[in-house]
Amino acid sequence: KNQVEQSPQSLIILEGKNCTLQCNYTVSPFSNLRWYKQDTGRGPVSLTIMTFSENTKSNGRYTATLDADTKQSSLHITASQLSDSASYICVVKNGGFKTIFGAGTRLFVKA
Amino acid sequence: DTEVTQTPKHLVMGMTNKKSLKCEQHMGHRAMYWYKQKAKKPPELMFVYSYEKLSINESVPSRFSPECPNSSLLNLHLHALQPEDSALYLCASSQDRNSPLHFGNGTRLTVT
Repeated sequence: KNQVEQSPQSLIILEGKNCTLQCNYTVSPFSNLRWYKQDTGRGPVSLTIMTFSENTKSNGRYTATLDADTKQSSLHITASQLSDSASYICVVKNGGFKTIFGAGTRLFVKA
Repeated sequence: DTEVTQTPKHLVMGMTNKKSLKCEQHMGHRAMYWYKQKAKKPPELMFVYSYEKLSINESVPSRFSPECPNSSLLNLHLHALQPEDSALYLCASSQDRNSPLHFGNGTRLTVT
């Protein structure tokens, strides 16, 4: 069964600190993996996209990694800001229109 | 601002009402999607249109009726909904089946 599991479920950090979110997937065949950020009451916004051959990709303070062998991905957020408070969703595509969503990690950044 | 525009932002309707949700994109994307999202849950796929034809219907009840008038527009017609249908309804588009999804900000629907 195609599944995407994320951890932790929620996370509280102080402003300025770093954090890492985890995503494990059992999706076959694998096409690509994306991390989305979703603010409360708004639609998800794509942060990064990882294909099978990519190990690391950065987008500003966000760095995503992918290990296709262990089927794990991580999203590292550097120097967190209050505006980083949101849900972060790991999404895997298996070559079709259907997309497998993780349950998300809810990040709270406190001043 | 998102490149996928959804209207209205909020909608309250009774169980006997008929209403429509609208979605528009001008990125030239040929695939458009409807998702339903309950609080603290990931989005759930409802429908996919590819080149203006219905490609996927995830066994959605007939009280939800999608329509794709042209390549830029996607509607979701609602009739005789139930309170449990209250949710955030998200529209998305993509260039093709493997391209990133671009989401709108959704319509917050409350059924009373």
